[in-house]
Amino acid sequence: QQQVKQSPQSLIVQKGGISIINCAYENTAFDYFPWYQQFPGKGPALLIAIRPDVSEKKEGRFTISFNKSAKQFSLHIMDSQPGDSATYFCARSLINAGGTSYGKLTFGQGTILTVHP
Amino acid sequence: KAGVTQTPRYLIKTRGQQVTLSCSPISGHRSVSWYQQTPGQGLQFLFEYFSETQRNKGNFPGRFSGRQFSNSRSEMNVSTLELGDSALYLCASSLPQGNADTQYFGPGTRLTVL
Repeated sequence: QQQVKQSPQSLIVQKGGISIINCAYENTAFDYFPWYQQFPGKGPALLIAIRPDVSEKKEGRFTISFNKSAKQFSLHIMDSQPGDSATYFCARSLINAGGTSYGKLTFGQGTILTVHP
Repeated sequence: KAGVTQTPRYLIKTRGQQVTLSCSPISGHRSVSWYQQTPGQGLQFLFEYFSETQRNKGNFPGRFSGRQFSNSRSEMNVSTLELGDSALYLCASSLPQGNADTQYFGPGTRLTVL
């Protein structure tokens, strides 16, 4: 089974700081890597996603960078805000050669981010 | 556009009972996936349905089953409930787009087994 190892388990940063969450994966050629944000009492919400043929993707204050040789990708949250306090999950969707993922996401264990004002 | 809805939001059952959870996907979405979320195991994939057919299944016992209707609404059933089945059950819908599916999650059903 393809695993996703996420670190750290928890992270505390000051307002305005940079939050960095890492995920390591086993090698595979066809994958799609979404990141989700979950607030207490809510379902996960898609934050940003990347494919392995792209080394970096930025959306607002959120950036995913992809290091294929290290088999690792990272989420950077710039200018972290108290409203960013949530649990973040990296995930992978194994896609077959035909380009179908069959709706199965494998998630990392999650990172609880706390941003202090 | 309305998001994914799940009913009920909260359930309390006792060991040995069975339970049925319901999920209505985003309008136009044809794929529905179910996940179990617990503090210890995190988010784990249960199964996925597309056009009323189960396409993929996770590593859960046969007590966990599901189905999808012609309007894409889905239900999952857990029979002979065990204490360890207490969890948040999440449903996600997606519109398969070829190379990658973007899954949109509902708020979940919190199941407590006593």
